[in-house]
Amino acid sequence: DTGVSQNPRHKITKRGQNVTFRCDPISEHNRLYWYRQTLGQGPEFLTYFQNEAQLEKSRLLSDRFSAERPKGSFSTLEIQRTEQGDSAMYLCASSFYRGNYGYTFGSGTRLTVV
Amino acid sequence: QQQVKQSPQSLIVQKGGISIINCAYENTAFDYFPWYQQFPGKGPALLIAIRPDVSEKKEGRFTISFNKSAKQFSLHIMDSQPGDSATYFCAAPNSGGSNYKLTFGKGTLLTVNP
Repeated sequence: DTGVSQNPRHKITKRGQNVTFRCDPISEHNRLYWYRQTLGQGPEFLTYFQNEAQLEKSRLLSDRFSAERPKGSFSTLEIQRTEQGDSAMYLCASSFYRGNYGYTFGSGTRLTVV
Repeated sequence: QQQVKQSPQSLIVQKGGISIINCAYENTAFDYFPWYQQFPGKGPALLIAIRPDVSEKKEGRFTISFNKSAKQFSLHIMDSQPGDSATYFCAAPNSGGSNYKLTFGKGTLLTVNP
């Protein structure tokens, strides 16, 4: 296992379209996180899963956003009716539940809404 | 809610010099303070982290200094190299227990001139 994998790396979509991103975490990690990063800013927390349970969602995650982690493995983040303000880098990270300190981030999916 | 303030926003250092980046946090109830390094087009990577029961942690050319009473911690990069040119983020957790919901600073763009 070489790390956290995110697909696609880049996505250009028209405003109003739906998009879905995929994250494959490190297989031994049972926590999975989604963050969003805009230009010149640090990553901002969106949501996290412990195994298949989504335990917290940020108020940044409007009702157009939904995340799933079926069977506690890979995760998907879907954005419905995209808006230009959704343009950002969407980062996925994973970690152990305990005994380790620090996320492993993927390389992100760069979303551009035109 | 955790607040993290990072400075400076950008830093230019000559090769061989010392780079110093500072971070201040508000909520004191947490046990883990990491620094992440991010290169263009990549996700952040954990560089070094400290727990507040020690005042300093060193790993190679990278040192974290922690001042619990001042609620500040800083990253020192000794003998800075052009390959260290990247954006650096400090972070602090939003809840007791590590690996959960980090709040990131806005980042420092470090440029090391040859």
